Amino acid sequence: AQTVTQSQPEMSVQEAETVTLSCTYDTSESDYYLFWYKQPPSRQMILVIRQEAYKQQNATENRFSVNFQKAAKSFSLKISDSQLGDAAMYFCAYRTHNTNAGKSTFGDGTTLTVKP
Amino acid sequence: DADVTQTPRNRITKTGKRIMLECSQTKGHDRMYWYRQDPGLGLRLIYYSFDVKDINKGEISDGYSVSRQAQAKFSLSLESAIPNQTALYFCATSDSGTAANYGYTFGSGTRLTVV
Repeated sequence: AQTVTQSQPEMSVQEAETVTLSCTYDTSESDYYLFWYKQPPSRQMILVIRQEAYKQQNATENRFSVNFQKAAKSFSLKISDSQLGDAAMYFCAYRTHNTNAGKSTFGDGTTLTVKP
Repeated sequence: DADVTQTPRNRITKTGKRIMLECSQTKGHDRMYWYRQDPGLGLRLIYYSFDVKDINKGEISDGYSVSRQAQAKFSLSLESAIPNQTALYFCATSDSGTAANYGYTFGSGTRLTVV
């Protein structure tokens, strides 16, 4: 079974600075998908960014980008120009490429604090 | 209206009571999921359904049951609630086939407290 590990329970960043959240995963598969979800205090889970394992290019969505290292099974999230609204819990998730499997495995989350 | 609606938003119930959490969606997605979130434990899968006739247990299904009443509705029941079922419960949906790889759409969660 796949496992997802987020080794940083808490992180903090100064407003306008850059922060990187770490995620590692364990899998024997070669093709899969990785996601970062954001959970603000409102508790609504929001998809931030996704990465397809067969693509070497790192995904980017505005101020959010990932550093995907397939050999190292690492999938970190970089938030540039941090804003107060980025304060949230962030979850890394893994999903197999097998569409018949369908379900995602989540890490334990990293709580990000943004200091003004 | 939200794409995925969970009711109730918050609930306090007594040990031994039966309780149902409801989820409905307007995304037109075939796949629906119930997850439980506990502090420090991330999200753990309780049950999932790929269509009305396809229901599967997740990693922590003991003490729970589900019903997929229609493509758009997926309910989670606690037959006899116990305090360690106190948690935040999420319903999520996803498309099928390759579109499933675009991730989940979540409801806003139900915070359940069992006293």
